[in-house]
Amino acid sequence: GENVEQHPSTLSVQEGDSAVIKCTYSDSASNYFPWYKQELGKRPQLIIDIRSNVGEKKDQRIAVTLNKTAKHFSLHITETQPEDSAVYFCAARFSGGYNKLIFGAGTRLAVHP
Amino acid sequence: DAGVIQSPRHEVTEMGQEVTLRCKPISGHNSLFWYRQTMMRGLELLIYFNNNVPIDDSGMPEDRFSAKMPNASFSTLKIQPSEPRDSAVYFCASSLEGPYEQYFGPGTRLTVT
Repeated sequence: GENVEQHPSTLSVQEGDSAVIKCTYSDSASNYFPWYKQELGKRPQLIIDIRSNVGEKKDQRIAVTLNKTAKHFSLHITETQPEDSAVYFCAARFSGGYNKLIFGAGTRLAVHP
Repeated sequence: DAGVIQSPRHEVTEMGQEVTLRCKPISGHNSLFWYRQTMMRGLELLIYFNNNVPIDDSGMPEDRFSAKMPNASFSTLKIQPSEPRDSAVYFCASSLEGPYEQYFGPGTRLTVT
């Protein structure tokens, strides 16, 4: 069935360190993998996404890698800052059509000054 | 564009009352999604529409929940009768059809006492 597993559920780092969040998906035909950031009391907002024809994508301090063979993808945040503290969700687009996303359970990242 | 618009932003009601949540998607988007978010269950997809037609309502928890999309610019999620366990934040999101970003609305925080 459709499933996305996300680890870890919580992550605590010191400011300036790197943070890595990993996700695995079950639908081998998934072709789109977005990452959303949700600050406390706010809506989820897209921070980066990757399509299945690309192995890596970077945007300033954020990067995402995709391994289609292993069916896993990861979010990398370098030089973390206190404002990076939030819940991060990975998702995989369901191959059954339309734009249904299967979300992971989320990772609560805390960046300590 | 104003983004996805939801109303009301907060709703407090008594058990047994009918609740109607409203959503206006981004103009030009033809896919609309209703999500429910709680601490225990995370972000759950309830139902989604494509070109105003319900595609998958398998996430709707029970018959007390119903959703409609009478036209491309408006959708409602109704709970009748409401119960305390329905208390959650309900998000509406919209997107273009295909592997594209889903844009979330600000959410409606529902409290059923």
